[in-house]
Amino acid sequence: DVKVTQSSRYLVKRTGEKVFLECVQDMDHENMFWYRQDPGLGLRLIYFSYDVKMKEKGDIPEGYSVSREKKERFSLILESASTNQTSMYLCAISYRTSSGLFFGSGTQLSVL
Amino acid sequence: AQSVTQPDIHITVSEGASLELRCNYSYGATPYLFWYVQSPGQGLQLLLKYFSGDTLVQGIKGFEAEFKRSQSSFNLRKPSVHWSDAAEYFCAVGASTNDYKLSFGAGTTVTVRA
Repeated sequence: DVKVTQSSRYLVKRTGEKVFLECVQDMDHENMFWYRQDPGLGLRLIYFSYDVKMKEKGDIPEGYSVSREKKERFSLILESASTNQTSMYLCAISYRTSSGLFFGSGTQLSVL
Repeated sequence: AQSVTQPDIHITVSEGASLELRCNYSYGATPYLFWYVQSPGQGLQLLLKYFSGDTLVQGIKGFEAEFKRSQSSFNLRKPSVHWSDAAEYFCAVGASTNDYKLSFGAGTTVTVRA
């Protein structure tokens, strides 16, 4: 079974804090993604990575950065958290487009 | 760029009744199409997918979907709904250029009444 592990299920942070969301996969897939999910908006792509040390912006990268130092780990960074970044964050991996995405359980982030 | 529209935000259906969720996509070539389900507090699980061949595809949990190129649609169906099917359902489209990204619809929430 595909395993995508997100380090925290729930997270509460204060405005201005630096926040790290971690994602680890056990499938040796090159492609990893970060989405955020908001009611009525579905899932929106923040960043993705095709390989180690490689990253590309998705549709809503503002206020976020990412890090991929090892193949199995893809981190999402909120440099200075703001209340409008309160959301569900979902990490996903993919082998090829036709296989679809495999998701972690998500991290519900609240920024107060 | 590809995009997806799910016209129904919320559907209520009686247990045992049939269910159909609508999905319309926008993409210039033959797309990769997916349906995902998300139970409360969970991540997304793949129900089924289409990228070529038979336009009627079978998935897990008794779901099926039909690709209709002329209507740019990929509607999800289940003949008889169970209470455990109450969840949020997302349609997604990927480009056949194989850039790995998927674009998702806004989702349809399904409520099942006894």
